[in-house]
Amino acid sequence: AQTVTQSQPEMSVQEAETVTLSCTYDTSENNYYLFWYKQPPSRQMILVIRQEAYKQQNATENRFSVNFQKAAKSFSLKISDSQLGDTAMYFCAFQAGTASKLTFGTGTRLQVTL
Amino acid sequence: NAGVTQTPKFQVLKTGQSMTLQCAQDMNHNSMYWYRQDPGMGLRLIYYSASEGTTDKGEVPNGYNVSRLNKREFSLRLESAAPSQTSVYFCASSVSVRETQYFGPGTRLLVL
Repeated sequence: AQTVTQSQPEMSVQEAETVTLSCTYDTSENNYYLFWYKQPPSRQMILVIRQEAYKQQNATENRFSVNFQKAAKSFSLKISDSQLGDTAMYFCAFQAGTASKLTFGTGTRLQVTL
Repeated sequence: NAGVTQTPKFQVLKTGQSMTLQCAQDMNHNSMYWYRQDPGMGLRLIYYSASEGTTDKGEVPNGYNVSRLNKREFSLRLESAAPSQTSVYFCASSVSVRETQYFGPGTRLLVL
């Protein structure tokens, strides 16, 4: 069974600064996908970024980028130039290549302050 | 293009009552899912439908039933609600089971 661990329950960053959220996972699969989802106070789950395990290049989406270390089973999210609208819960999620379900971590609550 | 929609947004039930949560998507996706989110936890899969006409159990299926009504709609039914089913329920859809899942806004359910 796969597990996803987010060891930072809460984090805070000042506007315009950079913050990195950590995620580690455990799996015996070789083909899988990793995701970061954002959940703002509205509770909507919003896809932030997706990484295929077979790709060595780290995924980026505008101010969001990941540091994917396959051997270490680590998948951190870096948010650059943080904005007040980035305030949310961030969930790391794992999906095996042959599976249907997403396995989520427990989330990191990020507060962006002035 | 509304994406994934869920009704109702919020519901209060008494123990033993039944209800159906509705989900619809307009993205022509083949696969649909139901998750629940409890405080301090990530989402957990209840049931999913890989394609129209099929349904399968997820991680926490007990106390729930589902119906894939057609390609667009996937409902979740609680036959006899229990306080342990108090949660936020999310529906999601994807092109196929190996593709990115997109979520609805959630239904908050309180069982007294």
